Amino acid sequence: EIVLTQSPDFQSVTPKEKVTITCRASQNIGSVLHWYQQKPGQSPKLLIKYASESISGVPSRFSGSGSGTDFTLTINSLEAEDAAVYYCHQSNSLPYTFGQGTQLEIK
Amino acid sequence: EVQLVESGGGLVKPGGSLRLSCAASGFTFSAYSMNWVRQAPGKRLEWVAGISGVSTYIYYADSLRGRFTISRDNAKSSLYLQMDSLRVEDTAVYFCARAWPADLWGQGTQVTVSS
Repeated sequence: EIVLTQSPDFQSVTPKEKVTITCRASQNIGSVLHWYQQKPGQSPKLLIKYASESISGVPSRFSGSGSGTDFTLTINSLEAEDAAVYYCHQSNSLPYTFGQGTQLEIK
Repeated sequence: EVQLVESGGGLVKPGGSLRLSCAASGFTFSAYSMNWVRQAPGKRLEWVAGISGVSTYIYYADSLRGRFTISRDNAKSSLYLQMDSLRVEDTAVYFCARAWPADLWGQGTQVTVSS
């Protein structure tokens, strides 16, 4: 099973800051890594697919990079509505797995 | 409207069974693989099972194989999860999700296993 480890677990940031969340895979997964945003009481929302591909309707301040075992989600110019938990997820090999999540708090 | 709506959750005693349903609308259901994903309180998301568009391929998380059964009825645009021999640790919100990466999720249905 591929283990995904995110850092940090929690981050408190001010609006307009730039945020970087990392995800490390226990094995090489190429670019088959996706990012989701989950707000309290809601289902996850796909933000970035295949490490760096943008999703229609997702604000351009969200971007992704990386390949192999190390990946990054970047949020430029953070907005209050970005308060959420962010998960990385791999669908390269079964069982599909998720990171433990990064909680983003807006000060 | 393109959406997924889960139902069938509830409170069940350990050892009991539940059948979850997921009704799809607004898209060609048979063209997509479908999955169940669960989230226990305060825990990370956990993939449960997946099924291809015409049920050719079915996959389960190793820890759940033998107790959970995923199925679909394309004529009814519906996805199902039969859960047997339920345990306290199966308590979670269960989501259905379309394809991988999952670009469409339902709102989730709560399953609570408790005596």
